[in-house]
Amino acid sequence: EVQLLESGGGFVQPGGSLRLSCSASGFSFGFYAMTWVRQAPGKGLAWVSSISGSGGTTNYADSVRGRFTISRDNSKNTLYLQMDSLRVEDTAKYFCVKDREGGQWLLPTKPSFNYWGQGTLLTVSS
Amino acid sequence: SFELTQPPSVSVSPGQTARITCSGDHLGDKFASWYQQKPGKSPVLLIYQDTKRPSGISEQFSGSTSGNTATLTISGTQAMDEADYYCQASDSSTYVVFGGGTKLTVL
Repeated sequence: EVQLLESGGGFVQPGGSLRLSCSASGFSFGFYAMTWVRQAPGKGLAWVSSISGSGGTTNYADSVRGRFTISRDNSKNTLYLQMDSLRVEDTAKYFCVKDREGGQWLLPTKPSFNYWGQGTLLTVSS
Repeated sequence: SFELTQPPSVSVSPGQTARITCSGDHLGDKFASWYQQKPGKSPVLLIYQDTKRPSGISEQFSGSTSGNTATLTISGTQAMDEADYYCQASDSSTYVVFGGGTKLTVL
């Protein structure tokens, strides 16, 4: 059974930093691209960042590029999101999601997400 | 930048067919996916590559695409289908884009 368990959310002041983690199990982690998706309170889904299975290819939404860094440790089956220079508008629940298709070396050209974690909440406020 | 547009809300009577649309430039060339999200829950993949259903997803959910519009069709809608529905696609300018979401109400 595929499981994705996010952790690391919390309360941080604007300008601060935080690192989210996602522990994965139930599939060959290193063979799949992984993605972070966020959802602000009462709002829709928004893509944040994706990383290939090998970790060699990454992509970011314009709103977080230069502030957030996605990474993974395949030996620990764990996905990370380092978030720096946090802003109030980064407040959201952050979901760790698995690509349906694969994406070991490059990000899939037709991404879709068949497993989602339960999410971890980040609040940025002064 | 690439954007996907969904109606904010759709209403349907129990047992009837609901159709939720998603529009975007050249969407027919980009392969749409659809997700269902119930309150307090994580999204669930319903449709990928425009028309394909993952294993375990009911046949009442189907997808289609024509031109710049993708459509999620829910047949025999029941109260348990009340949820937010999101379309998603990929573009060369933005790797992943989600639509704004559509709240389905079963009256």
